[in-house]
Amino acid sequence: GAVVSQHPSWVICKSGTSVKIECRSLDFQATTMFWYRQFPKQSLMLMATSNEGSKATYEQGVEKDKFLINHASLTLSTLTVTSAHPEDSSFYICSASRILGLPLAKNIQYFGAGTRLSVL
Amino acid sequence: DAKTTQPNSMESNEEEPVHLPCNHSTISGTDYIHWYRQLPSQGPEYVIHGLTSNVNNRMASLAIAEDRKSSTLILHRATLRDAAVYYCSRYGGNKLVFGAGTILRVKS
Repeated sequence: GAVVSQHPSWVICKSGTSVKIECRSLDFQATTMFWYRQFPKQSLMLMATSNEGSKATYEQGVEKDKFLINHASLTLSTLTVTSAHPEDSSFYICSASRILGLPLAKNIQYFGAGTRLSVL
Repeated sequence: DAKTTQPNSMESNEEEPVHLPCNHSTISGTDYIHWYRQLPSQGPEYVIHGLTSNVNNRMASLAIAEDRKSSTLILHRATLRDAAVYYCSRYGGNKLVFGAGTILRVKS
């Protein structure tokens, strides 16, 4: 159990277009999902925390108008990269944890397989 | 943000134990220590986590120093499939902050 599905796994787009990435928890509910970005040979950097039914919380330096996050249900969060440019090319990864009734810090994070975005 | 520091890379022989260290000297008293591993072009996979006590599961053991300034992930018998980047992370303030990671190479 505890599968997080991310779609698409790979996308190429032209500069100036927008790209939407979906993150779904397939067999559990998640009030909170997280979005990360990872550049080659680097660690994961948290971009934002996605909360079901409310606005996302963005990390310092992440443009909220460029990276739109929608968490419409307990099993789906989406990240839209608006007006993408070549510097947005990266590996985007989402994660979610179960609603266990425990402090969130104890909960295991389940990660999607990631989406590789290439902007031409 | 309090950071975790890890060696850039380590090497192990197959079937031998591996001890992956992590320093988190500025960690908050309520922050959990999480370990994840990642294969190329994949999302991270949970390994183990803990707060103060040592922890064991089917994948690994986590030894946490009494002062919580450091911890060690122990793979009891490394296999080729354990070759990955291992991230020592802290979970605090409702978010998971990843360290730079240790590249583990396993030799047959």
